This record gives sequence, structure tokens and C-alpha cells, in this order.
Amino acid sequence: NAGVTQTPKFQVLKTGQSMTLQCAQDMNHEYMSWYRQDPGMGLRLIHYSVGAGITDQGEVPNGYNVSRSTTEDFPLRLLSAAPSQTSVYFCASSSPVWGLDGYTFGSGTRLTVV
Amino acid sequence: KQEVTQIPAALSVPEGENLVLNCSFTDSAIYNLQWFRQDPGKGLTSLLLIQSSQREQTSGRLNASLDKSSGRSTLYIAASQPGDSATYLCAASPLYSGSRLTFGEGTQLTVNP
Repeated sequence: NAGVTQTPKFQVLKTGQSMTLQCAQDMNHEYMSWYRQDPGMGLRLIHYSVGAGITDQGEVPNGYNVSRSTTEDFPLRLLSAAPSQTSVYFCASSSPVWGLDGYTFGSGTRLTVV
Repeated sequence: KQEVTQIPAALSVPEGENLVLNCSFTDSAIYNLQWFRQDPGKGLTSLLLIQSSQREQTSGRLNASLDKSSGRSTLYIAASQPGDSATYLCAASPLYSGSRLTFGEGTQLTVNP
């Protein structure tokens, strides 16, 4: 089924560990982005990309790294996990050709840092 | 910096009632506004997308309106059902760039049988 696929769905990390959250879309969308969702704070933008090879910072980029080598994939790297990074992470994609479906979101990755 | 606010934060209604969810934004220079639904522990499902040149969009029992001059959008749900219980989120994208969204904190809706 067409859409945005995130892996893993759940992850527990120890403080200081690193990991990569995977995001892939098969809709040939140029725009991709990562958000984190925390109680009482809504969804906040971490990083985004307008195409392969182009990324930019969002509202809360510290502690995260991204790259976009292909149109389909947009991985999010946690460099040294901290308890403050415990959150639910969502990846999204969209097309710059408006009039289509707007944003499509993945099902999320629930991350706990202990 | 764009700020999006949703009122009320929570709403409980009896089944069959028509209801309105409100979304306001501080910067009227938006490219579009999108309404999402989120069920507990799940991802976001797109409900309606309103482009900046449009005034409203409809899908089934849902109708979303957009008034850029006043910085407001409303989501109207007709004849509510228990299956409509979820959190409803609105999000705006900035003018000349649809590459990112600013979200409100959502309205948690409960429809009682």
C-alpha cells in the first residue's frame, strides 16, 4: 500500500546510545519532514527536506541529524540519546504540487530513553 | 513565528449533535491549512486540506472553512457519532513553502452514545 513507512514502531534506548529512525515513502513526494509529539506541546518540527540532497532545521533540531540521499528515504539520527528525547516521532511527506492530498503521515515511532 | 491555537482543548457531546472545532493562527500568510484526526496511540489521518485561495472544503459529514483575514479555520462535524471520538488537529503551512507545518495542540472530542 502506498504511504509512509516508519521503523521501528517501538524502541528503548539507554542514555548516550545512538540510533536511526527510518522513514520511507513510495509516493514520489519531494517534501519530507520529521516531527515529535509530546503531551501538552503538540507536534513540533525537527528537520525537513524539500528534495534529495536538501535539508533544513525546524523548531527543535538539537540532538538530531538528517540526510536525504534519495527521494524515498529520510532517516532521523539521534546522536547521543537523552531522556528529553523520549517522545513519539512522526515522519511525513507531501508533494509541492498542490491540489493533491496534502500531507501523509507515518504511524509513528515511540521512543523511550532511560 | 506562526502560532496555531485550538479551542476548546476538550469537548464532550451526546451522539447526534452538530459541533464546531476552532483553529486560529497568528500569521495570515499561509499556503494552506489541513485538518487531521488522531486516534489514541495512532498516527495522523488527513481529513481536509484547504488551499489559501479556497474558503471551504467538504467531505461527507465534515466541512472545514478558512478565513485568512481573521486568522481562523473551523471544522464542522454534522450528526456526530461515537466513532468520531478522537483528537482533531489543525496545521498551517507558510506562504511560498508547503514543506512544513505548524500544528495546534488539538481538540480531544468524545461523542457519547
